[in-house]
Amino acid sequence: DVKVTQSSRYLVKRTGEKVFLECVQDMDHENMFWYRQDPGLGLRLIYFSYDVKMKEKGDIPEGYSVSREKKERFSLILESASTNQTSMYLCASSFDTYEQYFGPGTRLTVT
Amino acid sequence: AQSVTQPDIHITVSEGASLELRCNYSYGATPYLFWYVQSPGQGLQLLLKYFSGDTLVQGIKGFEAEFKRSQSSFNLRKPSVHWSDAAEYFCAVGRSSGGYQKVTFGTGTKLQVIP
Repeated sequence: DVKVTQSSRYLVKRTGEKVFLECVQDMDHENMFWYRQDPGLGLRLIYFSYDVKMKEKGDIPEGYSVSREKKERFSLILESASTNQTSMYLCASSFDTYEQYFGPGTRLTVT
Repeated sequence: AQSVTQPDIHITVSEGASLELRCNYSYGATPYLFWYVQSPGQGLQLLLKYFSGDTLVQGIKGFEAEFKRSQSSFNLRKPSVHWSDAAEYFCAVGRSSGGYQKVTFGTGTKLQVIP
């Protein structure tokens, strides 16, 4: 079974803090994705990566950056957390881009 | 622009009753279509997918979906709902954008199952 793990299930941070969300997949997938999920808005793509050290902006990249130093690990970085970044963050990976496997999510609260 | 519409935000059905969740998409080319399920506190799990061929596709947990090009729809069905089906369901379409392949998700339909 494909396994995508995320470093934290719940996280509480203060405004202005730098936040790292980690995602690891164990299936040697080329492609990895970060989404945020908000009620009534579904999933929105923040960033994605098709290869090590490669990244592309998604639909809502503002306020976020990413890092992919190793194939299995894709990190989402909030340089200076703000309250409007309180959300559920979901990581996904895929071999075939269209079929994605998701982690359990990290619920981030910024106070 | 490509989009996915799930017109029902919330649906309640009785256990044992049939279920149909609606999904309409807007996409110029032949779409790649998906249904995912998200149980409370969990990530998304793929239920089924349509790429081509037979327009009625079978998925896991007894779900099926039918692709209707003329109606731009990909509705999810189950003949008899179980209490464990209570979850949020997302329809999604694969799209090509900027030379990359991405997935656009609908806003979700939350299913409540009553005894």
